[in-house]
Amino acid sequence: NAGVTQTPKFQVLKTGQSMTLQCAQDMNHEYMSWYRQDPGMGLRLIHYSVGAGITDQGEVPNGYNVSRSTTEDFPLRLLSAAPSQTSVYFCASRLENSPLHFGNGTRLTVT
Amino acid sequence: QKEVEQDPGPLSVPEGAIVSLNCTYSNSAFQYFMWYRQYSRKGPELLMYTYSSGNKEDGRFTAQVDKSSKYISLFIRDSQPSDSATYLCAMSASNDYKLSFGAGTTVTVRA
Repeated sequence: NAGVTQTPKFQVLKTGQSMTLQCAQDMNHEYMSWYRQDPGMGLRLIHYSVGAGITDQGEVPNGYNVSRSTTEDFPLRLLSAAPSQTSVYFCASRLENSPLHFGNGTRLTVT
Repeated sequence: QKEVEQDPGPLSVPEGAIVSLNCTYSNSAFQYFMWYRQYSRKGPELLMYTYSSGNKEDGRFTAQVDKSSKYISLFIRDSQPSDSATYLCAMSASNDYKLSFGAGTTVTVRA
């Protein structure tokens, strides 16, 4: 039972580079979401999706893109990395009216 | 004012003590209440999940919800050093996929 799987675990980027953080879940959850977690700021919602083909912005969407072509996958794209995007990123999924399940995170450093 | 308020601590207690954590919220539509435990460099893991008002017990952990006061609590009895972690409260309304999180309380249990 894999749950929510995030790759990579760690990544270092230079300013201006682009990359994709991968997220996959095997629980057939319709809802998937991306958070960033920074010291003193708590968890902040970046983007979310309530099903394949449906995405929406969260609290801090600027600089990030998402797509949801399948129920299982919800990749997060950084278009042009900036030092302000240095953070720990968590993918999470849930069914309606049930708990949110988190992945183990991707630790991103932008130099 | 934030939708969910949680004292960030830190909280330090001796082994065997009762740990008391709480959150207050402003949205009366919240019906589902969760507590997550997050160890350093890990993703949040679900600890307790309750619906509406009342108490729920699971081993050494007890969750309480008082919707009339918009106040939820988590108690950890006979605390252990392995309980040292950050504890996050989270809540959502019915038919709303998105969760609102507290900032998290960092707990240290001293051996």
